[in-house]
Amino acid sequence: DAGVTQSPTHLIKTRGQQVTLRCSPKSGHDTVSWYQQALGQGPQFIFQYYEEEERQRGNFPDRFSGHQFPNYSSELNVNALLLGDSALYLCASRPGLAYSGGANVLTFGAGSRLTVL
Amino acid sequence: GQQLNQSPQSMFIQEGEDVSMNCTSSSIFNTWLWYKQDPGEGPVLLIALYKAGELTSNGRLTAQFGITRKDSFLNISASIPSDVGIYFCAGRGGGTYKYIFGTGTRLKVLA
Repeated sequence: DAGVTQSPTHLIKTRGQQVTLRCSPKSGHDTVSWYQQALGQGPQFIFQYYEEEERQRGNFPDRFSGHQFPNYSSELNVNALLLGDSALYLCASRPGLAYSGGANVLTFGAGSRLTVL
Repeated sequence: GQQLNQSPQSMFIQEGEDVSMNCTSSSIFNTWLWYKQDPGEGPVLLIALYKAGELTSNGRLTAQFGITRKDSFLNISASIPSDVGIYFCAGRGGGTYKYIFGTGTRLKVLA
């Protein structure tokens, strides 16, 4: 049973560039969230996608955008990269939002480490 | 960004000792989760709590959902070297999908 898979694992960009990160949710999950984890900090919620729509967004600028595909996979796009965007970007999946209780638990991928120079 | 207060921030303990850590919030939560994160990896779920006062165990780990719904506690009994890592709490309130994570407790076990 494949867990959450993310790609790429590491990447280096320069300021002003754009980046796309990809995520495949755990089998049976259809809801995907993205979190940013700066060095030495806890993960910060970016946004969540369900049924190909953004359902909730954290306190991140419009430079951060996303997409969910019909197969439930997701992409995170960041435009006009800043040095402060350097972080580990985590994708987490869960069963559909219609479920409660144990379905609220997030399963995380190993993350994509972005370095902006 | 918003983060929950976790304490202690870090701790060194001897193998075999028990460990306690806690997490506090200014908001009421409906769900508390505890995760462990190893270097270069994503967080891995340890325990999930859904009800105020709930006490749940997972092997040597025990966690509790505080009765005020603003705090949670994690205990590790008889620590072993593989318990080394960063432990995060995460809470979710009503009417929201997002989890707010704590600042993390860094645990180091001395053999």
